[in-house]
Amino acid sequence: DSGVTQTPKHLITATGQRVTLRCSPRSGDLSVYWYQQSLDQGLQFLIQYYNGEERAKGNILERFSAQQFPDLHSELNLSSLELGDSALYFCASSVATLTSGRARGEQFFGPGTRLTVL
Amino acid sequence: SQELEQSPQSLIVQEGKNLTINCTSSKTLYGLYWYKQKYGEGLIFLMMLQKGGEEKSHEKITAKLDEKKQQSSLHITASQPSHAGIYLCGAVKVSNAGNMLTFGGGTRLMVKP
Repeated sequence: DSGVTQTPKHLITATGQRVTLRCSPRSGDLSVYWYQQSLDQGLQFLIQYYNGEERAKGNILERFSAQQFPDLHSELNLSSLELGDSALYFCASSVATLTSGRARGEQFFGPGTRLTVL
Repeated sequence: SQELEQSPQSLIVQEGKNLTINCTSSKTLYGLYWYKQKYGEGLIFLMMLQKGGEEKSHEKITAKLDEKKQQSSLHITASQPSHAGIYLCGAVKVSNAGNMLTFGGGTRLMVKP
């Protein structure tokens, strides 16, 4: 158990719908990262928040958004869902952020939310 | 952009055998992470390597970082069925959009009892 929790574990919805995925980081971790894992694209970084502020942005679609709340939990909102959005969505947390080209602290991953869009 | 290639893509070994997984970057490696994933589950942190020539071990798993070759290797000694899973390497990518981890495509390991 990494200490990172994600809800729900599974989510089945229809195209065009909107869903919210929730993540609670490990106690004391200020950074939250969101990733998408699909068979064809592998594990892709979406977005990072550090202490409530957006810190890095990866391959996140405009239909997707995220935020980190004062209690440090984070939510990933996915809207106008398409079949291709079906994937595993992971949240990870770390104490610090990646402040330079050198690795800075390991990221601990949650168990993921499996999203199926029908 | 940071490209990480892992080899082999999949591997089947007999229990007790040693094996090596490689992760090669198209750009300079400033640091590297190794994770293990059971199918459909979350990633488990194995090791983080920060300096060229660094080598770390945990139980029967050893990882090395060769900055000159822009490569890292993960070696498992006397493999066991519990080692089965997908091994992923990740590297720090620095960009205008922030610093992030990019991952290789993974190596799927099966250990036959």
